[in-house]
Parts: sequence; C-alpha cells; structure tokens
Amino acid sequence: QVQLQESGPGLVKPSETLSLTCTVSGGSISSADSYWSWIRQPPGRGLEWIGYIHYSGTTYYNPSLKSRVTISVDTSKSQFSLRVNSVTAADTAVYYCARVSPHGDYVWFDPWGQGTLVTVSS
Amino acid sequence: AIQMTQSPSSLSASVGDRVTITCRASQGIRNDLGWYQQKPGKAPKLLIYAASSLQSGVPSRFSGSGSGTDFTLTISSLQPEDFATYFCVQDYSYPYTFGQGTKLEMK
Repeated sequence: QVQLQESGPGLVKPSETLSLTCTVSGGSISSADSYWSWIRQPPGRGLEWIGYIHYSGTTYYNPSLKSRVTISVDTSKSQFSLRVNSVTAADTAVYYCARVSPHGDYVWFDPWGQGTLVTVSS
Repeated sequence: AIQMTQSPSSLSASVGDRVTITCRASQGIRNDLGWYQQKPGKAPKLLIYAASSLQSGVPSRFSGSGSGTDFTLTISSLQPEDFATYFCVQDYSYPYTFGQGTKLEMK
C-alpha cells in the first residue's frame, strides 16, 4: 500500500526558507485521484492544512499561508516538496505529508507520513 | 474558513468505558466530516469518513454520527490500544479544517 515519508532539516533560522520533501512509495504519485498534501501542527495546537499538489501541477494553498508557500512535485523521483519562505517561530511545527483523495462526495486524508518536527530558531 | 470546535480537549477513561467526542462546525457541512486517530510518533489513521462510514479494517466499536454542524465519535467499549488523540476534519469546503484534537488518556 502507499506509504509516505517526510525528510528535511529539523532546524531552520528565522527569515530563512523551510524546505521539506515527501517520498511516495508503494503506489504511483501520478495517480489521477491523488492530491498530495502538506499539513502542520504547531506544538500544543491543532492541525492546519497547508495545501496540495496534483501530479499535473495543479495546486491549492490555504489562504492563511498562500503568500509564503510553494508546493512542487517531481514525478521522476516520486516526491513532492514544500517550501515556506520567511519563517518565524510561529512556523515551528510537526509537518506531515498526506494523500488526499476523493471517494464519492467525500475526501480521505489517507495515508499520512509519520511527521517531522521543524523548529525555527537562531 | 470553517471553524471546527472539538471537545473535550482531553478525557480520562478506563478500559471498557463508552466514550464520546464531539465536533461542532461553525456552519453547516452536510456530513462531510472525517475522524482520525493519532498515536505518538505514528502516522494519523482514518477511522470514519462521511461522518458515519467506518473505514475498512477499523473495529466496529468505533462509530460516528451527526450532520450539519454537530458530530460525534463514539467508542463503545474502550480497548487499551484506543488510548490516543482523536481529531475531526471537515472536507465540505476549502480550506479543509481540523478540530483541535482530543487526547484520550487512561484513568
């Protein structure tokens, strides 16, 4: 079955760019009904959906982060990536990647990666 | 964005207890709601979609109900492996939004 694994630096300096990659295994990243997403959870707070990318290049970004976020896909490596610019301490969070897929009128966030903690600190 | 208010934020219970967790949406979302289980260091797991449909392989002690703005997740008889954090997510409209989570702890 499809498995996801996040990777990237665990520490980023304020004002710099956070970059993470999610590797997809056990299935095709080019599946038409898969929307590859990033979600984050700041310490002690709820989850926030950052956005998604489809293998075709179609993206959606949460308006709360849209000005600072880019999600890209590399189908040859079966990976998709997240970049968050101009980070502050408020961007400290566990970052998850997940597949979002439609099932009839409904949407599944399934599966998820295990998550990776990114701390923004000098 | 639709706000999802989940309660309680934490809950202490014993094996065998019946437990109920609620999510309230700031506007009607039909039944476009999922429930997920999250254990420390593990990937979140889909339990229920469409407010009440059990994901394949999920034990039948888990059930969901509700429509519109008010939703519940019920665990009919807690098992040791059920102590975890649970959260809801609405997939009615962009951006999809999550409840704050409920940490279910052993009493």
